[in-house]
Amino acid sequence: QSALTQPASLSGSPGQSITISCTGTSSDVGGYNYVSWYQQHPGKAPKLMIYEVSNRPSGVSDRFSGSKSGNTASLTISGLQAEDEADYYCGSYTSSTTGVFGTGTKVTVL
Amino acid sequence: EVQLLESGGGLVQPGGSLRLSCAASGFTFSTYAMSWVRQAPGKGLEWVSAISGSGVSTYYADSVKGRFTISRDNSKNTLHLEMNSLRAEDTAVYYCAKAVNERTVVAPAGDYWGQGTLVTVSS
Repeated sequence: QSALTQPASLSGSPGQSITISCTGTSSDVGGYNYVSWYQQHPGKAPKLMIYEVSNRPSGVSDRFSGSKSGNTASLTISGLQAEDEADYYCGSYTSSTTGVFGTGTKVTVL
Repeated sequence: EVQLLESGGGLVQPGGSLRLSCAASGFTFSTYAMSWVRQAPGKGLEWVSAISGSGVSTYYADSVKGRFTISRDNSKNTLHLEMNSLRAEDTAVYYCAKAVNERTVVAPAGDYWGQGTLVTVSS
């Protein structure tokens, strides 16, 4: 199972919005509404930000939102803040009954 | 408070074996699927394995199928990962994670993660 494709890096200024894409195939992202997004700060465990495409776990800021169109899922961070600087990973269920993560995106707050 | 605490990592020679454990507390362990995710040094996340709440159903990434075995002891609230025939490319921090809800089993949607345990495969 190949990793889902994400941009290697993105940047934005405080207050701006950025959108991270996650491209897969009809056998993973496009075929199921089981797409998740994680935030990971250096040396820390990943934190679940979005599950089942657009659901936020309790305690996650509503500045984070998820969506999906075809084989591409997206995570939008609105009102970018310094603490949003981190690595972000998408994940998906696959038709092989496995999980798969994306290649990861490093978000820099300018 | 939900807590997950991994143990069992360490240095092992290629071809060797290791057993990881994840002690869970703060939730009804048998209700939720659990999974293992690893991260090689400086690399991204890799889904490794998942197990249903009952322990009846197990799932593996192709990269570990036939070498790793996931299991759980619901009486002791503990998750295990038995790793055999270890290779250099298995070197990583291994995390256990709790599924976000009862319908999630394989999908990588863990709402609580442990701190990770480092496995180093080297001669």
